[in-house]
Amino acid sequence: QVQLQQWGAGMLKPSETLSLTCAVYGGSFSDYYWSWIRQPPGKGLEWIGEINHSGKTNYNPSLKSRVTISVDTSKNQFSLHLRSVTAADTAVYYCARNWVLTGLDSWGQGTLVTVSS
Amino acid sequence: QSVLTQPPSASGTPGQRVTISCSGSSSNIGSNTVNWYQQLPGAAPKLLIYSNNQRPSGVPDRFSGSKSGTSASLAISGLQSEDEADYYCVAWDDSLNGYVFGTGTWVAVL
Repeated sequence: QVQLQQWGAGMLKPSETLSLTCAVYGGSFSDYYWSWIRQPPGKGLEWIGEINHSGKTNYNPSLKSRVTISVDTSKNQFSLHLRSVTAADTAVYYCARNWVLTGLDSWGQGTLVTVSS
Repeated sequence: QSVLTQPPSASGTPGQRVTISCSGSSSNIGSNTVNWYQQLPGAAPKLLIYSNNQRPSGVPDRFSGSKSGTSASLAISGLQSEDEADYYCVAWDDSLNGYVFGTGTWVAVL
């Protein structure tokens, strides 16, 4: 059974860079895409982007200019970097596994990131 | 930015059937399959339905999904108190080249 464990800084100041990492335990790493999703407090879910084991990425057009998703296949990890954050980027960030047949089928526990001066 | 439209809320008494709609367009639901997720308060979303109407192992058969054209639906039959949660639909969008989520529906068990 796959498990996703994520971590990263929970408090940022405006203009800083958000950095989160998600480690994958169990199952194959190379057969899937790996996604980041976020959820502002009290609001709905927003897909940020995805990456596969070879580094191919897809990004949400609304965030593309500020987002980089990277992968470290030696550690079965992938990371999210979101530059120039503002208060509007305050959200719970989730990592998730994405398979062609089942979609986003396994999720990390979520990390609350708060942007405040 | 949510591209798929859901009703903000739905409700029912224990044992009743509740249906949630999800409306999209030709570039998302009209071209790709729909998943549904249940999100309990304070928890990560959990996959409930994939490929329009398939249940992962462990999901009760009280939950069922369907799709027609550019819309999809999730039905919960035999409503139980533990079903009180937010429910989200999601589909791949060919125009955006990414996933789009529904606006979310809070299901209350009265």
